[in-house]
Amino acid sequence: NAGVMQNPRHLVRRRGQEARLRCSPMKGHSHVYWYRQLPEEGLKFMVYLQKENIIDESGMPKERFSAEFPKEGPSILRIQQVVRGDSAAYFCASSPGQANSPLHFGNGTRLTVT
Amino acid sequence: AQSVAQPEDQVNVAEGNPLTVKCTYSVSGNPYLFWYVQYPNRGLQFLLKYITGDNLVKGSYGFEAEFNKSQTSFHLKKPSALVSDSALYFCAVSSPTGANNLFFGTGTRLTVIP
Repeated sequence: NAGVMQNPRHLVRRRGQEARLRCSPMKGHSHVYWYRQLPEEGLKFMVYLQKENIIDESGMPKERFSAEFPKEGPSILRIQQVVRGDSAAYFCASSPGQANSPLHFGNGTRLTVT
Repeated sequence: AQSVAQPEDQVNVAEGNPLTVKCTYSVSGNPYLFWYVQYPNRGLQFLLKYITGDNLVKGSYGFEAEFNKSQTSFHLKKPSALVSDSALYFCAVSSPTGANNLFFGTGTRLTVIP
């Protein structure tokens, strides 16, 4: 499967724990985007990264959330000290970076905070 | 700032009838507009995009969308709905002057009734 791979598909964490969500972009794609989807809501942009660089993090909460896309390996979205309000589906998308090329989405990670 | 509005949370249509899912946008400059579809427990799939050129854009699965600059709209259409078209549809916009990240509407749930 050469698509965007996200893991895990489902993640359960207790309040106060850390959540790590992984995303491997499509082959040949160097741009990664993270979105959050709350129940019955649209996707909210969180962060846009290229290899080793954060391009736009205007949608990221200022505290507890961080993202990286290292030179080697997947992109990681990290949520520290999770709270119930963090429960959502987190989607990763990738693109080759050409202007207005469509984003290709993974199947998401569903985070449940108990 | 760019944004899109999908005024209908839910659209019901009988199988075989034409369908329309509405979208209006707000963006500085010329918009780049997209439609995506989401099936249950899956990521978003790209349907079509408008960048420039003909106002009528054809996409996947028989869908098309009409760009109307004067009404700032980009409605999704299909001449004859299928039951398998039942899904969540998202309109999205990106700014031609900004990063390649997309801003999504809140989604419209399409139900095609057999």
